[in-house]
Amino acid sequence: TQLLEQSPQFLSIQEGENLTVYCNSSSVFSSLQWYRQEPGEGPVLLVTVVTGGEVKKLKRLTFQFGDARKDSSLHITAAQPGDTGLYLCAAHSGNTPLVFGKGTRLSVIA
Amino acid sequence: DSGVTQTPKHLITATGQRVTLRCSPRSGDLSVYWYQQSLDQGLQFLIQYYNGEERAKGNILERFSAQQFPDLHSELNLSSLELGDSALYFCASSVGPYQTSNQPQHFGDGTRLSIL
Repeated sequence: TQLLEQSPQFLSIQEGENLTVYCNSSSVFSSLQWYRQEPGEGPVLLVTVVTGGEVKKLKRLTFQFGDARKDSSLHITAAQPGDTGLYLCAAHSGNTPLVFGKGTRLSVIA
Repeated sequence: DSGVTQTPKHLITATGQRVTLRCSPRSGDLSVYWYQQSLDQGLQFLIQYYNGEERAKGNILERFSAQQFPDLHSELNLSSLELGDSALYFCASSVGPYQTSNQPQHFGDGTRLSIL
């Protein structure tokens, strides 16, 4: 069974601070996705990374896929209250079903 | 708005009962996925249908079943409900049969099931 471990589980920071959350596994994946989920809503896809070492930027969010395609990180610069939510990583290899981590619950305090 | 519609939004019932959750996929999407989300287990894949046929199966209990109809909407049936079945149930849809990076899944807003 492929497992995705996300850390930290909870994170509470002040507006304007930077943060990094991690998604780790012992398995190699074809691609890895990051989602954000807000209360009462379903997960919304933020980005997909496919190539080892790949870096993608989405405004203040920077996503990196590990060289060996086993892990990923999400860095947020100058966090804002609107960044509050549950950040989920998900990955698959071949045609296997998507596996999700348990998420990092981020709270950005104004 | 993801284009995926789930009903009902909330459902409260008792142990031993049976419920049906409904999902309408995004226009043009042929795959429907069902997930269960609980605090301790996270988001768990249950089952996938593609164009009416079962495509992949995950950690779905025997008490649970699903189907996809000719109009592509799907239903998840949960029977002999137990307290531990209380969770959020999400439906997602995608275009093709495979879970690949260029065919992302779009999630509905879920059904919150509470078993009393």
